[in-house]
Amino acid sequence: NAGVTQTPKFQVLKTGQSMTLQCAQDMNHEYMSWYRQDPGMGLRLIHYSVGAGITDQGEVPNGYNVSRSTTEDFPLRLLSAAPSQTSVYFCASSYSIQGPGGTYNEQFFGPGTRLTVL
Amino acid sequence: AQKITQTQPGMFVQEKEAVTLDCTYDTSDQSYGLFWYKQPSSGEMIFLIYQGSYDEQNATEGRYSLNFQKARKSANLVISASQLGDSAMYFCAMREGPGNTGFQKLVFGTGTRLLVSP
Repeated sequence: NAGVTQTPKFQVLKTGQSMTLQCAQDMNHEYMSWYRQDPGMGLRLIHYSVGAGITDQGEVPNGYNVSRSTTEDFPLRLLSAAPSQTSVYFCASSYSIQGPGGTYNEQFFGPGTRLTVL
Repeated sequence: AQKITQTQPGMFVQEKEAVTLDCTYDTSDQSYGLFWYKQPSSGEMIFLIYQGSYDEQNATEGRYSLNFQKARKSANLVISASQLGDSAMYFCAMREGPGNTGFQKLVFGTGTRLLVSP
C-alpha cells in the first residue's frame, strides 16, 4: 500500500495564480482532510470530507476549495493564491477505531506539500 | 474553545534516558481525547498514542506512555529509553466534541522539538 500520497512535494506560485494540490489514499478510509502547518503553530484544519460527495469546512477554509468525487481522491484548490497561503500542506485519511480509551480517528498523513506564494 | 499548550519549544535528552514532553489542555467538554504525533525531519506526521478522557489507565504503546492527570488537565508524553531515531518534533492534539464515530476535528499544540544525543 502506498498509504497517503501528495503531489507536488514543492510548488512556487505567484500571487493570483490558482493551482490544485493532489491527495490520494489507497486504504479505503472514509474520512479525508487537509491541514496547513505554519512556523511556530500546530496544524490547522482547512477542509474535510466524510465520504464521496460530502465535504465541510474546518478552522481556516477561506481561499480554498475541495471536492471528493471518489473515496480515494481529495484535491485542494487554491483559487487565487496569496502570500498568506505560504505554508506546508498535509493531507490525511482516517477511520474510526475503538480503543481502550473510547472511539477515535486513527489518522494517516501524507508527506506534505511545501507551497510558497510570492 | 479547546486549546492545547506545549510550553517546551525544545528538549534535549541523552540516548537511553527517559524524557517527558509536557502538554496541558483546556476544554469544557466532559468527553474528549488526547493524541500525540511525531514529526521527523522528513516531514510526515506519525500517530503515537491516544488517551480518552474516561480511560482511568494511562495509555501505553511500546516505549511511549501518556501521563494523564485529569485534575491538572495535563497529558504528558513519556518516552522511555530514548533512541537517536526519536529526534523529531512532537505534537499534542485534542479532538473536538464527543468521541462517537464520525470525523473528529483535532486541535494541535505548537510542538516540542526533541533532540536525542549519543
